[in-house]
Amino acid sequence: DVKVTQSSRYLVKRTGEKVFLECVQDMDHENMFWYRQDPGLGLRLIYFSYDVKMKEKGDIPEGYSVSREKKERFSLILESASTNQTSMYLCASSLRGTGGRNEQFFGPGTRLTVL
Amino acid sequence: AQKITQTQPGMFVQEKEAVTLDCTYDTSDPSYGLFWYKQPSSGEMIFLIYQGSYDQQNATEGRYSLNFQKARKSANLVISASQLGDSAMYFCAMREDLYNQGGKLIFGQGTELSVKP
Repeated sequence: DVKVTQSSRYLVKRTGEKVFLECVQDMDHENMFWYRQDPGLGLRLIYFSYDVKMKEKGDIPEGYSVSREKKERFSLILESASTNQTSMYLCASSLRGTGGRNEQFFGPGTRLTVL
Repeated sequence: AQKITQTQPGMFVQEKEAVTLDCTYDTSDPSYGLFWYKQPSSGEMIFLIYQGSYDQQNATEGRYSLNFQKARKSANLVISASQLGDSAMYFCAMREDLYNQGGKLIFGQGTELSVKP
């Protein structure tokens, strides 16, 4: 069974802390993505990566960075957490292939609260 | 401008009835794909159905079908014979430039569906 796992389901951090959210996939996918989900806004893309050590900014990269040292692992880093980063964070992966379906597979999400 | 618009924040449907969830999109790219995902209260996103811009027929997957009207730029999800387990948030999403390997998705705001017994 294909799987995307995220390191925590729930996380509570304090303002100013450095926060790491980890995502691991076992499907040998090239593409990996980080989204945040907020009520009424749907999912918004923070960063994505289409290969090891490659990264590209999504629609809302401010305040975040990412790391992809291995194909199966994609980390989201909040350098200095702020209360407006309280949200649900979803990781996803997909094959690189072109022209077809290539749906994204999602992890269970991490609900982050910044106090 | 919104690229994906879901105008129904919440909907109710009676069990065993059919329901249509609306989705309109905006793109000038001739090559794009449209996706529907389901998100139950547990939080995990579940892929339901896909429609490519060049596909001649509307996509179907079991009780799910996609009413694709290209000229109107709409891609509505139809769920037939609703079940209590269909209660969830539903997201429409689009990938532009299908021949780009990046595979980014643009999501709508979502529609919360509640199935009544």
